[in-house]
Amino acid sequence: DAGVIQSPRHEVTEMGQEVTLRCKPISGHDYLFWYRQTMMRGLELLIYFNNNVPIDDSGMPEDRFSAKMPNASFSTLKIQPSEPRDSAVYFCASSLFASQYEQYFGPGTRLTVT
Amino acid sequence: AQSVAQPEDQVNVAEGNPLTVKCTYSVSGNPYLFWYVQYPNRGLQFLLKYITGDNLVKGSYGFEAEFNKSQTSFHLKKPSALVSDSALYFCAVRDPSGSARQLTFGSGTQLTVLP
Repeated sequence: DAGVIQSPRHEVTEMGQEVTLRCKPISGHDYLFWYRQTMMRGLELLIYFNNNVPIDDSGMPEDRFSAKMPNASFSTLKIQPSEPRDSAVYFCASSLFASQYEQYFGPGTRLTVT
Repeated sequence: AQSVAQPEDQVNVAEGNPLTVKCTYSVSGNPYLFWYVQYPNRGLQFLLKYITGDNLVKGSYGFEAEFNKSQTSFHLKKPSALVSDSALYFCAVRDPSGSARQLTFGSGTQLTVLP
């Protein structure tokens, strides 16, 4: 398996623009997680899905952030409008259903908002 | 609620010496515990986990971790450090008796192995 795939790997955009990050989980995994990593705040869970359904979005910082999972092999995280404080590395991870299974992380998308 | 603490932001060790990266946790029941490693510009990579059974867990790249219930700790260890082990290490916990399916991660410990 290719592992968790994220695109783009790097994104530079101007404040106010819409940003869409994409994730393809490992085939057969039914949990998908979106994280954000910054120096100041460390690794933060934003939202996670189970069988394409959002379960907990309490970590989404503002209404400017939204996430969807239209099918088992694709998810998006959208920021509209983007702000400089959104600059971070965004990770997607997936896992099997049972809680003893580890999460597998993608390579991340480094977002820079100028 | 579940939480995890990594008391050291930075650990330095000489190549060839044993290394320890500390982790303590708090859950209401029996924990599931995980260690991940992050190399520069990469995603987190799973190293090992404790679910049940033997308190000493062996993982990838020669790492091991010891689960200590009385001290609520899960320290990561390696008998002989390599320069290539230099990376950011994260401990994570999940309380299987709770409804949450997410992991709670520590703040990370930067390990530097000096040649």
